[in-house]
Amino acid sequence: GAVVSQHPSWVICKSGTSVKIECRSLDFQATTMFWYRQFPKQSLMLMATSNEGSKATYEQGVEKDKFLINHASLTLSTLTVTSAHPEDSSFYICSAIRNREDGYTFGSGTRLTVV
Amino acid sequence: AQKITQTQPGMFVQEKEAVTLDCTYDTSDPSYGLFWYKQPSSGEMIFLIYQGSYDQQNATEGRYSLNFQKARKSANLVISASQLGDSAMYFCAMREEGYGGATNKLIFGTGTLLAVQP
Repeated sequence: GAVVSQHPSWVICKSGTSVKIECRSLDFQATTMFWYRQFPKQSLMLMATSNEGSKATYEQGVEKDKFLINHASLTLSTLTVTSAHPEDSSFYICSAIRNREDGYTFGSGTRLTVV
Repeated sequence: AQKITQTQPGMFVQEKEAVTLDCTYDTSDPSYGLFWYKQPSSGEMIFLIYQGSYDQQNATEGRYSLNFQKARKSANLVISASQLGDSAMYFCAMREEGYGGATNKLIFGTGTLLAVQP
């Protein structure tokens, strides 16, 4: 079946630094990738939608300059949290879709802790 | 705008019994898809079941069935013969597939934490 690899699975960084999270579709070409943020025991909040070769579409309230998304190829999308602060600590999870019929494949998530 | 509501923050069920997890939705798109996902404490998202708005029959997948009531805009998940391994967070999600569906965005409800008791 379709597999999406997300790295790292967890990361601790200092306040003010940037962190990059990778989401890679291993055995299919993802036309669209989605980035979600999830606080403990809460819902997955969609942050942005990215299509290969074009700028990401951010949801209302998500800071574009803080959460940089790059979808350089049909198999790789990255989320960079710039100038991270403790309030950015969260679980970030990506999802990829090849076509509507195949459904969504989720990465295993990244737990970010900013200290 | 599309909206998903799960009104049960937490549920208990005895092992081997059936449980229903509620989900209501709102959309102006006549074509949409409804999904249920399971999220164990590990954080992975496990797809359970899908129901299309034009599907004539309720979806079933093994012990999972979806009680789809279109007029009421509800898509409740029924888990039969609960097992201890069913203890997890369960999310209902919706995708608009008509004129609002170009993006394939999947929007999630707030989730229900299910605890299966022995």
